[in-house]
Amino acid sequence: SSELTQDPDVSVALGQTVRITCQGDSLRSYYASWYQQKPGQAPILVIYGKNYRPSGIPDRFSGSSSGNTASLTITGAQAEDEADYYCNSRDSSGNHVVFGGGTKLTVL
Amino acid sequence: QVQLVQSGAEVKKPGASVKVSCKASGYTFTGYYVHWVRQAPGQGLEWMGWINPNSGGTNYAQKFQGRVTLTRDTSISTGYMELSSLRSDDTAVYYCARDLSGWPGVDYWGQGTLVTVSS
Repeated sequence: SSELTQDPDVSVALGQTVRITCQGDSLRSYYASWYQQKPGQAPILVIYGKNYRPSGIPDRFSGSSSGNTASLTITGAQAEDEADYYCNSRDSSGNHVVFGGGTKLTVL
Repeated sequence: QVQLVQSGAEVKKPGASVKVSCKASGYTFTGYYVHWVRQAPGQGLEWMGWINPNSGGTNYAQKFQGRVTLTRDTSISTGYMELSSLRSDDTAVYYCARDLSGWPGVDYWGQGTLVTVSS
């Protein structure tokens, strides 16, 4: 079992806003990173740190954190955003790395 | 540009070992930790460990302690992941990824290597 918990499935209407969450005690001490993975492809980093986007990631992707919960928000979801999303951070001890179980995002 | 290029797919029998390589280019190999992550078919991402290419120091997930060995060859900017005593549930795509350096996470990923364990 993962120390970071994500909802397995989330859906959003095209053009609407969706929030994907990641919960875990370690998130009170460490930021989360977020990855998008499409079928048959390697994951790509979309958000890291306080709310940073790597070059090339659209600004409709944003991140936030409060208490033990990190969130990835997509404002104005597009069809191409349909994918699996994973959060990632340190574990409770701070010594190891852990991924959330992943959220499958469906754009309706 | 930063690239991580992994070795090709492998088929192994139960009980055997596999060694996957990850060749880095486009950056100073010794400046960033390299992580290894695996993904079983239809499942999520699972962190296996990291290696500091500068010192050779390693940190393994408890689940893989004693079965996984991460090494590197700085002369050719290449990292290696060796997994021993393979079982059928080790069938997965194995990824290497570069550490974000300063933040939890990784920024660049290899293309993945499928390891199939089957008798």
